[in-house]
Order: sequence, then C-alpha cells, then structure tokens
Amino acid sequence: NAGVTQTPKFQVLKTGQSMTLQCAQDMNHEYMSWYRQDPGMGLRLIHYSVGAGITDQGEVPNGYNVSRSTTEDFPLRLLSAAPSQTSVYFCASTGSPGQPYEQYFGPGTRLTVT
Amino acid sequence: GDSVTQMEGPVTLSEEAFLTINCTYTATGYPSLFWYVQYPGEGLQLLLKATKADDKGSNKGFEATYRKETTSFHLEKGSVQVSDSAVYFCALGGSNYQLIWGAGTKLIIKP
Repeated sequence: NAGVTQTPKFQVLKTGQSMTLQCAQDMNHEYMSWYRQDPGMGLRLIHYSVGAGITDQGEVPNGYNVSRSTTEDFPLRLLSAAPSQTSVYFCASTGSPGQPYEQYFGPGTRLTVT
Repeated sequence: GDSVTQMEGPVTLSEEAFLTINCTYTATGYPSLFWYVQYPGEGLQLLLKATKADDKGSNKGFEATYRKETTSFHLEKGSVQVSDSAVYFCALGGSNYQLIWGAGTKLIIKP
C-alpha cells in the first residue's frame, strides 16, 4: 500500500492564481481531511469528508474548495491564492475497522504565495 | 468546547535524559487520547493512544497514562535519543472522527 499520497511536494504561486492540491489514499478509508500547519499554530482543519459525495467545512474553510467524487481522491482547490495561504498542507485519511481516530497523513505540500 | 493544551516548546534535552511533555484536556465525557509525532519534513504519525481512564499507551519507549482525575495525558520516555527529535502533538477524539489537536511541542535532543 502507498498509504496517503500528495502532490505536488512544493509549489510557488502568485497572488490571485488558482491551483489544486492532490490527495489520494489506497486504504479504502471513508474519512478524509485537509489540514494546514502554520508555525506555532499546530494543525487546523480546512475541510473534511465522511464518504464519497459528502464534504463539510472545518475550522478554516474560506478560500478553499473540496470535492469527493471517489473514495480514493480528495483534492483541495485554492480559488484565488493569497499570501495568507502560505502554509504546509496535509491530507489525512482514517477509517480502518476498529481504529476510527487513527489518522494516516500524507507527506505534505509546502505552498508559498508571493 | 473540547480543547487540548500542551506545554510550549522547544524542549531541549541531552541524550539519555528523561522526557516529560505535558498535555491536559477539556472535554465532555471520556474521549480517546492520542500522541502523534512529526519527524522533520514528514507528515504526522500515530505514536500511541489510550481509549479509557487509567489506560497506558506505549510505543518506541514512550508512554502516556490517561488520567481522568487530572484530565491529563503526559508523554514520558526514560532515555531519549537524538533520533527522538521531532514535534509531538497531543490530541483527543471528537465528533465525526475528528481529532482536536494541541499546538505541538518541538523536542530537540543534543548528543
């Protein structure tokens, strides 16, 4: 199993550009989530999904869209990038039988918005 | 609402020292508690967990005990190594399979 994969690893955007961060998992997990990690602020939940076709907002959803058309994929779209979105983005999945809170994280995408 | 508070870092220790990273929580009921570790340049991974009061989670020489009386889940290790240098996150299980995260504590181990 590859676990949770994320692409790209690094990205530089100009203010106003849009892009999609990709996330995929091969563990057949129902629950997936996107976090951002900023220095001194821990992890903040952006959006999450409890299954294909179902998404919901987390703590900091503004400026981001998600969709979940398949169990495996959960892309995160930045609509119009802003410097405040400079961060490291992590995708995670969970849902192993009997282990509902054990989240598996991808390696992260380091995004810089200039 | 539910919350997790961790001691601020960085925590700097010499190799073979004893480690404690404090974690306290506020929650209704008795949630599951977790410690995750993030090594440099990587995503987070589960280190250990406890699902009920007085449970002790352990892994890789690290331990934490679920203390209901003090609402705490402190992380301990008897003898740290340079390879333990990482950021450690305490978390509790909330609704919708969400984890409520502490801010993280950076641990630096000097040889």
